[in-house]
Amino acid sequence: ETGVTQSPTHLIKTRGQQVTLRCSSQSGHNTVSWYQQALGQGPQFIFQYYREEENGRGNFPPRFSGLQFPNYSSELNVNALELDDSALYLCASSLRGYTEAFFGQGTRLTVV
Amino acid sequence: AQTVTQSQPEMSVQEAETVTLSCTYDTSENNYYLFWYKQPPSRQMILVIRQEAYKQQNATENRFSVNFQKAAKSFSLKISDSQLGDTAMYFCAFMKPVYGGATNKLIFGTGTLLAVQP
Repeated sequence: ETGVTQSPTHLIKTRGQQVTLRCSSQSGHNTVSWYQQALGQGPQFIFQYYREEENGRGNFPPRFSGLQFPNYSSELNVNALELDDSALYLCASSLRGYTEAFFGQGTRLTVV
Repeated sequence: AQTVTQSQPEMSVQEAETVTLSCTYDTSENNYYLFWYKQPPSRQMILVIRQEAYKQQNATENRFSVNFQKAAKSFSLKISDSQLGDTAMYFCAFMKPVYGGATNKLIFGTGTLLAVQP
């Protein structure tokens, strides 16, 4: 059984650029959630995907968007990057209706 | 809206000793779930322990146990026989019940950095 994997592990982008982060779910999991963890803070919920559709969204602007694919892997896209988007982005997979979420190791995004 | 508060930014404990991390939360829900997650330097969040609000018995997982006080909205984590590998950031988290199509999102506190000293 494979765990949750995220790529890339680190990324540096320039303000105004666009970025795509990727997540492969744990085998058998049909739900993916994305979190943003700023330095020194707890993770903040961005959104969740189930069966390729968004199923709940946190307080993030529309320039944060996502996709889920038929194999349940997922992408997080951020347009028009701002300096405050610098953070650790965590992906978590789970089974719909269950509480336990399994996290990946995250992608550290730095916007300069 | 639910909130989770961890008032201890940093704590230190000697190896083999016991330490308690504090967490309070605010919610109008009667049924919910509470969690403690560990985030070591590897950055991966690892579930330590889970408590269901409708269960009066405190959850226990080996050296980890919780003191769940529903009326006080308090959820502390006790680590017994602390080990060097317990050094990590610990996050308290809240989740509403996951009925039907409800989003099972976690609401995290700001974390407590625990250092276990040899």
